Amino acid sequence: EAGVAQSPRYKIIEKRQSVAFWCNPISGHATLYWYQQILGQGPKLLIQFQNNGVVDDSQLPKDRFSAERLKGVDSTLKIQPAKLEDSAVYLCASSLGRVNTEAFFGQGTRLTVV
Amino acid sequence: EDQVTQSPEALRLQEGESSSLNCSYTVSGLRGLFWYRQDPGKGPEFLFTLYSAGEEKEKERLKATLTKKESFLHITAPKPEDSATYLCAVFNTGGFKTIFGAGTRLFVKA
Repeated sequence: EAGVAQSPRYKIIEKRQSVAFWCNPISGHATLYWYQQILGQGPKLLIQFQNNGVVDDSQLPKDRFSAERLKGVDSTLKIQPAKLEDSAVYLCASSLGRVNTEAFFGQGTRLTVV
Repeated sequence: EDQVTQSPEALRLQEGESSSLNCSYTVSGLRGLFWYRQDPGKGPEFLFTLYSAGEEKEKERLKATLTKKESFLHITAPKPEDSATYLCAVFNTGGFKTIFGAGTRLFVKA
């Protein structure tokens, strides 16, 4: 079974630039998550989709972050404009059924903002 | 506010030296607790889900237990390949948000 695919693996941008991350979840998984993991910390949920709909985005900085899930499958997370404090690993995960079942994570995208 | 605290932050063991990692939590209506393992440069990998106090689950050298206020991950006779960061996460009765702790970094020396 193919895992969660993310791209790119690494990205370096200057502050105030924009960046986008892509995620392809495991086939058939209804729930998709984007997490931000700052070095030395645990993952922090940014947004959670159930099929096409947003279940929770309470911790997404909506003035600069946006996310969408196309046709209930692939998802993109965008940051515009980026700040230095956005430097982190962005993890995508998916789960099979209802929210908060076992989640499968991708390898993440390491973003460095300089 | 829902919160998860893991201790210790780091743990160094000799191969074969058993120990336990702690995850204490405050959450409004615990629905379940996850344990994940994370290797450097990779995403977390699922280990266990625990749903109720008194529940235990085992996998190879790992055993997870749950009480009303905390969970323990017991590692019996660890090997160097057990070196990783172990993350604990809780989700509440609303079920819409999983909250992770900062993790315990485990180093096992041969």
